[in-house]
Order: sequence, then structure tokens, then C-alpha cells
Amino acid sequence: GAGVSQSPSNKVTEKGKDVELRCDPISGHTALYWYRQSLGQGLEFLIYFQGNSAPDKSGLPSDRFSAERTGGSVSTLTIQRTQQEDSAVYLCASSFGSLTYGYTFGSGTRLTVV
Amino acid sequence: GNSVTQMEGPVTLSEEAFLTINCTYTATGYPSLFWYVQYPGEGLQLLLKATKADDKGSNKGFEATYRKETTSFHLEKGSVQVSDSAVYFCALSESGNQFYFGTGTSLTVIP
Repeated sequence: GAGVSQSPSNKVTEKGKDVELRCDPISGHTALYWYRQSLGQGLEFLIYFQGNSAPDKSGLPSDRFSAERTGGSVSTLTIQRTQQEDSAVYLCASSFGSLTYGYTFGSGTRLTVV
Repeated sequence: GNSVTQMEGPVTLSEEAFLTINCTYTATGYPSLFWYVQYPGEGLQLLLKATKADDKGSNKGFEATYRKETTSFHLEKGSVQVSDSAVYFCALSESGNQFYFGTGTSLTVIP
């Protein structure tokens, strides 16, 4: 597609429920990233996929968070047993994997845990 | 480790005023530096970048110069417009695996 597409754009869930957030990167981009943007905070790195390499999961805050990328394209971020502190905007970005081009970000999914 | 510190906002300016948003960084190696902009209701967009010391990135009237001696990458614009109202993020990356972002500076330009 023309840009990075994320769905849903907004999600309200009850504490303890699982949620799945989807990211559809730009076609041809080999690298895909997930970040979290909490109110008043900067962007917090979560996970990075590059081609067929093992993902860099060093930013995932707990084992309740996981992500996969199927077929080198679409990615799903799953949060199990959501907590109120998980409320944030979850941003996905993709790139050609080179610093020359930077990232292209999606518009994000605003997650609210009540 | 790597980190980015940028001036806290919010910043409010009148149209045609001069803008400076300060950004300093800490890095273990030789990073590339970026400014991203987030307009209301939209995702982050790359505004400009510089990949080595003394490089100047520029776009849409904004400029930033990579200063290794002061570890800075301050964003400037000579005459801001209402349409520049947004949140601006300074960021660095050494390898492309991960970007380190500042906390963002909100800019509001009033007519």
C-alpha cells in the first residue's frame, strides 16, 4: 500500500483481556518496528523485525507482550492480560532497513485499558 | 548508552517568529540524527536527517546541523507558520535496528 496501515485505530478493552494490534507495512519494506507512545513520554522501542532474521525483542516490557510477522509482511502485536499501564498509542513503522531512508510510521492504535 | 534529550514544551509562537527546538544526544558510536514531526491525528513523518558530523539536514524551511563537538542537532526555522503546529521529535540511530527518540516538543503557532 501507499503507507503503513494500522488497525484498529482505537481500541478500548477491559483489564485482563487480550488484544491484537495489526500493522500492514509498505510493500517491499524489509524492516518493521513497533513502538509505544505513552502520554507525555517519548517513543519506547518494543520490537524490530528485519527480513527473515530473528526479531530483536529487547524492548518488550514483559512476557505479556509478543509479536509476529508473517511472510515478511503483516505484523501482529499481542498483549495478553492487559493492564491499565498498557494504555498508550502503539506505533508501527517500516523501512528498507537502511538509515538512509528513515522510517515511515503508521497513524497508530490508541489502546485504552479500563 | 544511547539517548536523546530535547527541550520541553509546549512552545507557543506567533506566526513568522523564529523557532529553535534544542536537541542533544548521547551515543556510543557515530549515529545518524533525525527530526520527525507528528501533525494532529497523524503518524510521525520524517522531517529531516543528517548522517555525519557537520551535515545540515533541511526540509520545508526547517534546518538542523549535526554538531559532534556539542553533541547537538537543534531544529530551526526562520519564520514559522500556523501549519507548522505539531509535535517534533528528535531521534538518533546507529544501526537502523532501533531509533532512540526524545520525548517530543509540542509547537503551537498562533496567527
